[in-house]
Amino acid sequence: KAGVTQTPRYLIKTRGQQVTLSCSPISGHRSVSWYQQTPGQGLQFLFEYFSETQRNKGNFPGRFSGRQFSNSRSEMNVSTLELGDSALYLCASSLEGGAPYEQYFGPGTRLTVT
Amino acid sequence: QKEVEQNSGPLSVPEGAIASLNCTYSDRGSQSFFWYRQYSGKSPELIMSIYSNGDKEDGRFTAQLNKASQYVSLLIRDSQPSDSATYLCAELVGRGSTLGRLYFGRGTQLTVWP
Repeated sequence: KAGVTQTPRYLIKTRGQQVTLSCSPISGHRSVSWYQQTPGQGLQFLFEYFSETQRNKGNFPGRFSGRQFSNSRSEMNVSTLELGDSALYLCASSLEGGAPYEQYFGPGTRLTVT
Repeated sequence: QKEVEQNSGPLSVPEGAIASLNCTYSDRGSQSFFWYRQYSGKSPELIMSIYSNGDKEDGRFTAQLNKASQYVSLLIRDSQPSDSATYLCAELVGRGSTLGRLYFGRGTQLTVWP
């Protein structure tokens, strides 16, 4: 079974631009979560989607948004990029229902904002 | 404020030794815990999940959960140089329809030397 895929793997953007990252979950997984990882803050939760609905949201500004499609694929968007948005963005999928609700991560998208 | 604290490390052990990684959490209601391994430049990889008090063994890995003392540990027996990585402890927060959010510790860097 194929794992979580994320595109693109690397991205360089300029301050003020916007960016869209894509995530395809493991087949059959309907929950998709997004995380930001930086050396200074570690792994931080952005938001989680299930059945095209945002179910959980972390403490990030409104510039960070996401959505999920009917095939469970998800996208996240960051508008008006800032230097501090440079990070590894990780998507994780999980199988809804029952224990243990394990989340499996994709390879990530490395975003550099210059 | 939910917190997951890990022994900061770095931890260095010789090949063949037992590596012990520890994590404490603040939310007494948390039910599920996970250990992820992250190699440098890669995404986190799920290696263990545990949600009942006691031990759970998988090959060379043993996860231990003590809900009364609010700690989770990971033991790696017969450590190998290939185990050298950062180990992340995570706590699943939420119930029912609000499941989906993992809180991560900052990680413990493990080095296994030949």
